[in-house]
Amino acid sequence: AQSVTQLDSQVPVFEEAPVELRCNYSSSVSVYLFWYVQYPNQGLQLLLKYLSGSTLVKGINGFEAEFNKSQTSFHLRKPSVHISDTAEYFCAVSDSGGGADGLTFGKGTHLIIQP
Amino acid sequence: DTEVTQTPKHLVMGMTNKKSLKCEQHMGHRAMYWYKQKAKKPPELMFVYSYEKLSINESVPSRFSPECPNSSLLNLHLHALQPEDSALYLCASSQVGQGAPEQFFGPGTRLTVL
Repeated sequence: AQSVTQLDSQVPVFEEAPVELRCNYSSSVSVYLFWYVQYPNQGLQLLLKYLSGSTLVKGINGFEAEFNKSQTSFHLRKPSVHISDTAEYFCAVSDSGGGADGLTFGKGTHLIIQP
Repeated sequence: DTEVTQTPKHLVMGMTNKKSLKCEQHMGHRAMYWYKQKAKKPPELMFVYSYEKLSINESVPSRFSPECPNSSLLNLHLHALQPEDSALYLCASSQVGQGAPEQFFGPGTRLTVL
């Protein structure tokens, strides 16, 4: 069984400031890790993914995340946020076994950008 | 084409109605998924189809009936729903295998059950 913990339900940040959204996971098997963003009344858009290899992964819209196996973490960062980054961010995990596997999501972090 | 489309965008139905949600993708993906998302909650997996066969059913009530008529289409048939079934229903698709497991999501159908 897998689980994902996003401890921060809401993160307020001033525009142009850096931000980090935290994600920790638990799994008994190897996993793939993802960050998705959801804007109001929309579906989910993939920001970035970790499958294997380099632990620092870069995604769209200037976001990056670092996989830390020893700490079972996959924190999302952006050096300078914009008002348009206001959205809900979900960390997710899936089994890396190769079959079609559903995603297990964290509870989400609402990023609020203040002008 | 990297898009997953869902129809309708909004649906209001009574508890005695029968309706269907539709999902379509033309990315050649052989896995398709239904998720349910309540307000201010994460998506929860309902069903997974792999190569047009139902591979995962997360103990979903029988008033939800999925169907995958071909590799591009996924339906969710609804019958005798309850008000607590009101939610955003998201469809997703992905490749099968270890190469590219990310799921592509549609915009969702917002369902209201009266």
